[in-house]
Amino acid sequence: GENVEQHPSTLSVQEGDSAVIKCTYSDSASNYFPWYKQELGKRPQLIIDIRSNVGEKKDQRIAVTLNKTAKHFSLHITETQPEDSAVYFCAAAIDADGLTFGKGTHLIIQP
Amino acid sequence: DTAVSQTPKYLVTQMGNDKSIKCEQNLGHDTMYWYKQDSKKFLKIMFSYNNKELIINETVPNRFSPKSPDKAHLNLHINSLELGDSAVYFCASSRLAANYGYTFGSGTRLTVV
Repeated sequence: GENVEQHPSTLSVQEGDSAVIKCTYSDSASNYFPWYKQELGKRPQLIIDIRSNVGEKKDQRIAVTLNKTAKHFSLHITETQPEDSAVYFCAAAIDADGLTFGKGTHLIIQP
Repeated sequence: DTAVSQTPKYLVTQMGNDKSIKCEQNLGHDTMYWYKQDSKKFLKIMFSYNNKELIINETVPNRFSPKSPDKAHLNLHINSLELGDSAVYFCASSRLAANYGYTFGSGTRLTVV
């Protein structure tokens, strides 16, 4: 089955700086790569996703890049703000299979 | 209206008991899932149902039994609860398949004492 590795497990950045979280996947058949944000005590919520026919996608301060050859994808958050503090999960899916999640990155925004 | 709703939100019970968690979605989605989130925040898939039919059953003890009376509902019944079952259980749904993205329920925090 699919295996998703996520790094780092904890990331601390100064407010206003950029944050980058990286994930690798094992199954080259995976074709959908979402990112979820989970605030303390709440449900994971989809923040951005990318499909295998696209190399990059951007939504305001958030961007995701995908390198199919290397089987890795990354989340980029620019101009970080205190409300960006949360646990972020990457995931990968192959059509009807369920999402396989990475182990999460605890992002801490230092004031 | 809550899109994916789970009940109860909190569940504290003794070892050996049997309990159920209910999940309902009003999004018209075809596929529903149960995930377990452990104390280290790892989200692991347990079951997936598509239009009331089981399509994924990961390595889960057979004390866990999902039931889908219709495509809007996926309940989770757990027999003979153990301390290691303590976790947050999330229900989720997706249109057609996982590669359309999930909507998660608010989670059920299960504590076995």
